[in-house]
Amino acid sequence: AQSVTQPDIHITVSEGASLELRCNYSYGATPYLFWYVQSPGQGLQLLLKYFSGDTLVQGIKGFEAEFKRSQSSFNLRKPSVHWSDAAEYFCAVGANRGGGYNKLIFGAGTRLAVHP
Amino acid sequence: ETGVTQTPRHLVMGMTNKKSLKCEQHLGHNAMYWYKQSAKKPLELMFVYSLEERVENNSVPSRFSPECPNSSHLFLHLHTLQPEDSALYLCASSQGGGSYNSPLHFGNGTRLTVT
Repeated sequence: AQSVTQPDIHITVSEGASLELRCNYSYGATPYLFWYVQSPGQGLQLLLKYFSGDTLVQGIKGFEAEFKRSQSSFNLRKPSVHWSDAAEYFCAVGANRGGGYNKLIFGAGTRLAVHP
Repeated sequence: ETGVTQTPRHLVMGMTNKKSLKCEQHLGHNAMYWYKQSAKKPLELMFVYSLEERVENNSVPSRFSPECPNSSHLFLHLHTLQPEDSALYLCASSQGGGSYNSPLHFGNGTRLTVT
């Protein structure tokens, strides 16, 4: 069955430090992968997505992610974290092909805290 | 107004009440979703509508009843809920049609508390 694992429940980094959030997926075919961010009291905002092609994808707010098929991973990175990046981050895989909709399976999320 | 709008933002209801959550999207999308977000649990897909037809119902109890009168509006009717139903309910929409990999666009959710 399709699944997404985010091994880190909570991460704390200092402002200006680099960041990497881990995501591992289980899917039988080429996956469609997404990263979303959720600030307190808000819905989820799309950071970036991977469908095919270049395995390094760029997103909004200076984030990027690298798809590694051999490791079934899609880790999110940012070279220098800002205090406003404190939020919860969700990795997701698209679990269906066809049907006119996108059935996303989400990981449990990683909560990021940023120290000044 | 653009994006996905959910009302109300907060709702407190007793177990015997009947209430409805509303979602409206102004993106021209054809698919709409209800997700449940509980503390310490992954987001759970509840229902999906594609072209106003329900295409997913993930073993959701019958005390939750969705309605999609047109491609822009989605409702979740609630009755005789349980305290464990307290959660953030998120509505989302996507392009749909042949675009089954289109990203979902989320509203800000309705925080539901069942007393």
